[in-house]
Amino acid sequence: DAGVIQSPRHEVTEMGQEVTLRCKPISGHNSLFWYRQTMMRGLELLIYFNNNVPIDDSGMPEDRFSAKMPNASFSTLKIQPSEPRDSAVYFCASTPQSGGSYNEQFFGPGTRLTVL
Amino acid sequence: GNSVTQMEGPVTLSEEAFLTINCTYTATGYPSLFWYVQYPGEGLQLLLKATKADDKGSNKGFEATYRKETTSFHLEKGSVQVSDSAVYFCALLQGAQKLVFGQGTRLTINP
Repeated sequence: DAGVIQSPRHEVTEMGQEVTLRCKPISGHNSLFWYRQTMMRGLELLIYFNNNVPIDDSGMPEDRFSAKMPNASFSTLKIQPSEPRDSAVYFCASTPQSGGSYNEQFFGPGTRLTVL
Repeated sequence: GNSVTQMEGPVTLSEEAFLTINCTYTATGYPSLFWYVQYPGEGLQLLLKATKADDKGSNKGFEATYRKETTSFHLEKGSVQVSDSAVYFCALLQGAQKLVFGQGTRLTINP
């Protein structure tokens, strides 16, 4: 039973480069979340989608960050241009959405991004 | 806005010791509360939850009781094991789907 899949697991890039992080949610889950984890700020929700539609992107730090979900089985988080302060672990999580009640979020293993 | 405050770590205990990790929250109303655990190199996993006041969540020997009077949701375990070494996150549910996390508490259990 495959969980949430993220790629790459580790990414090292130089300042100014474009970075694309990828996520495949659990099959049948129709809500997807992107989080960022840093020592300074802890775990922050960046954006989430329901049925491939962005619902809340208020956590996206600035215009350099963008996220897409072209279909139910794939999402990307892009940073362009990247900066050293973007260095963090980025998690993707998915959940089956059901009306009115909360469902457990299943997290992927994360992508550790280092921007030099 | 809503927020969660956890006791600062790291916490280091010996095997079989009693564990408490404090968590308090600030929120409008009575949100559902959660404890998530993150083992080294992995994503977060739901450990337990409570959806209303006085509810007790429990799993794997861990417990937490939703106390609205003290706006707290402290995590406890009577006898910890080395395998419990991880980072523990307290969280509240804001709206239908957004989780607001505390800073996390790193726990190390020595044999």
